[in-house]
Amino acid sequence: QKEVEQDPGPLSVPEGAIVSLNCTYSNSAFQYFMWYRQYSRKGPELLMYTYSSGNKEDGRFTAQVDKSSKYISLFIRDSQPSDSATYLCAMSNTNAGKSTFGDGTTLTVKP
Amino acid sequence: DAGVTQSPTHLIKTRGQQVTLRCSPKSGHDTVSWYQQALGQGPQFIFQYYEEEERQRGNFPDRFSGHQFPNYSSELNVNALLLGDSALYLCASSGGPGVLHFGNGTRLTVT
Repeated sequence: QKEVEQDPGPLSVPEGAIVSLNCTYSNSAFQYFMWYRQYSRKGPELLMYTYSSGNKEDGRFTAQVDKSSKYISLFIRDSQPSDSATYLCAMSNTNAGKSTFGDGTTLTVKP
Repeated sequence: DAGVTQSPTHLIKTRGQQVTLRCSPKSGHDTVSWYQQALGQGPQFIFQYYEEEERQRGNFPDRFSGHQFPNYSSELNVNALLLGDSALYLCASSGGPGVLHFGNGTRLTVT
């Protein structure tokens, strides 16, 4: 079993929809939780970075971490066609060591 | 300010050959990590270099080796290539806690 499991998708939504992306994990030592966005033929780019449990909001994006359930989510409000990409969750037990990634969810936002 | 740059962008090799991939970190970053991303999967951690030393290593065989130079740039070497080594190889740099900045990767195809 993988340490990080991500809802596989793919996910297709109309423009303006609210999108929910989710990951579960098994390693209770994870303290740092990240969401990356990866466009086709590009490297991942960091969207959200959260330490421990709680919520963090940045514009249309909200990241939630529930360490008691070992569950993290990324919500995208008012989704846009430019949000169409693969979204990767990632976790780490230190702030400088390796990150463990999920396999990604591919999102398509239709105009 | 240049981000993380990787070369070459694409590479085709034959089984049994050796390959060297190169990475220049983002300006001011001193830590370089390498990840392997197979098609449809998330990045898998290979190893991390800091102060020219391998600081952490993932679950990859000794065929995978690396080096970091005094200017913080890095190389990834893979010997005795296997078909299963075909993947996108990503370099990421960091200059502080947590946040990884990725390059756009080198696409390696082994035939």
